[in-house]
Amino acid sequence: EAGVAQSPRYKIIEKRQSVAFWCNPISGHATLYWYQQILGQGPKLLIQFQNNGVVDDSQLPKDRFSAERLKGVDSTLKIQPAKLEDSAVYLCASSLRSAGELFFGEGSRLTVL
Amino acid sequence: AQSVTQPDIHITVSEGASLELRCNYSYGATPYLFWYVQSPGQGLQLLLKYFSGDTLVQGIKGFEAEFKRSQSSFNLRKPSVHWSDAAEYFCAVGANAGNMLTFGGGTRLMVKP
Repeated sequence: EAGVAQSPRYKIIEKRQSVAFWCNPISGHATLYWYQQILGQGPKLLIQFQNNGVVDDSQLPKDRFSAERLKGVDSTLKIQPAKLEDSAVYLCASSLRSAGELFFGEGSRLTVL
Repeated sequence: AQSVTQPDIHITVSEGASLELRCNYSYGATPYLFWYVQSPGQGLQLLLKYFSGDTLVQGIKGFEAEFKRSQSSFNLRKPSVHWSDAAEYFCAVGANAGNMLTFGGGTRLMVKP
């Protein structure tokens, strides 16, 4: 069974530029999560989707971050404009249902210069 | 609000020695508790979880953890560490298996030959 796929694995941008990360969850998984992991810290939940609806985005900085899961399968996380403090690994995870075990992708590492 | 504290940022043990990683949590109700492992450049992998029942839970790769409600702790143990166990370990608490997981800051384990 294929795992959670994420791309790109690495991205370097200048501050105030924009960036987008893509995630394809495990087939059949209804719930999708985006986490931000800053160096030296644990992952922090940014947004949770159930199919194509948002369940929780209370910790998403909505002035610059946006995410969508239009067809209830893959998802895109966008940052515009990026700030230095956005440098982090962005982890996507999926689960079969909202209370199910999370399976994580390898992450997309963002460096903002 | 729920929180997780992992007091040890770094731990170094010799190969073959025993290991205990500490985790303390704060949660208003009966917690769901997890330990994840993250190897360099990889996503998080679930080692074990506790929902209810026997307070000593077994996980993959020979790890176990003990839930102690009176101490609000969920420490991870392994009787004999292998060099391949070198990684970062995260404790997490949540309302269920997937929703609203809060992660600790992580403990980086190094294994000496």
